[in-house]
Amino acid sequence: GEEVAQTPKHLVRGEGQKAKLYCAPIKGHSYVFWYQQVLKNEFKFLISFQNENVFDETGMPKERFSAKCLPNSPCSLEIQATKLEDSAVYFCASSQRDRGLYNEQFFGPGTRLTVL
Amino acid sequence: GIQVEQSPPDLILQEGANSTLRCNFSDSVNNLQWFHQNPWGQLINLFYIPSGTKQNGRLSATTVATERYSLLYISSSQTTDSGVYFCAVEFASGTYKYIFGTGTRLKVLA
Repeated sequence: GEEVAQTPKHLVRGEGQKAKLYCAPIKGHSYVFWYQQVLKNEFKFLISFQNENVFDETGMPKERFSAKCLPNSPCSLEIQATKLEDSAVYFCASSQRDRGLYNEQFFGPGTRLTVL
Repeated sequence: GIQVEQSPPDLILQEGANSTLRCNFSDSVNNLQWFHQNPWGQLINLFYIPSGTKQNGRLSATTVATERYSLLYISSSQTTDSGVYFCAVEFASGTYKYIFGTGTRLKVLA
């Protein structure tokens, strides 16, 4: 598609439950990025993929967070045993990056996760 | 360390006024974008501007990469311009990820 799609829009989980978020990048884009926005202003990079391969996972809390981008499927971000501090908006972005340094990132509408 | 700082943090304007938002970054960059996050949380892509000047209607942006700053100009502001403005930077030493600034919260009064 021409836009980055994210589902669901809202997700409510009790503390300790699992949460799974999905992202469909723009068709033809080979890079996918996940960002977490907490407290309305702070963005934190989580992980990026080049096609189905993890490219940079330096931002991932590895104990409970995992992510995948499999061929012909939406990318996913999964949080096992959610904690209150995981409450945030999770944005997915995709970029083409096939022309040198060009890396315009296109962002999806986000998934708002609320952990109770 | 690597930093992206935005100023001012908050701005209140009367409708019709002009404003300049600033983004300073601590190191060489490959890419830079400006976003508007509206009150519903949606991130609107305003400019992809790693260098030079661009204009789009009442908005324009300039990035002077050698001096490590970017400016976003809003002219004849409207109430619909309210929200938070972010710059996001890909540092040359990084791995394509964006580092976001702390944002400028703009409120335009009717």
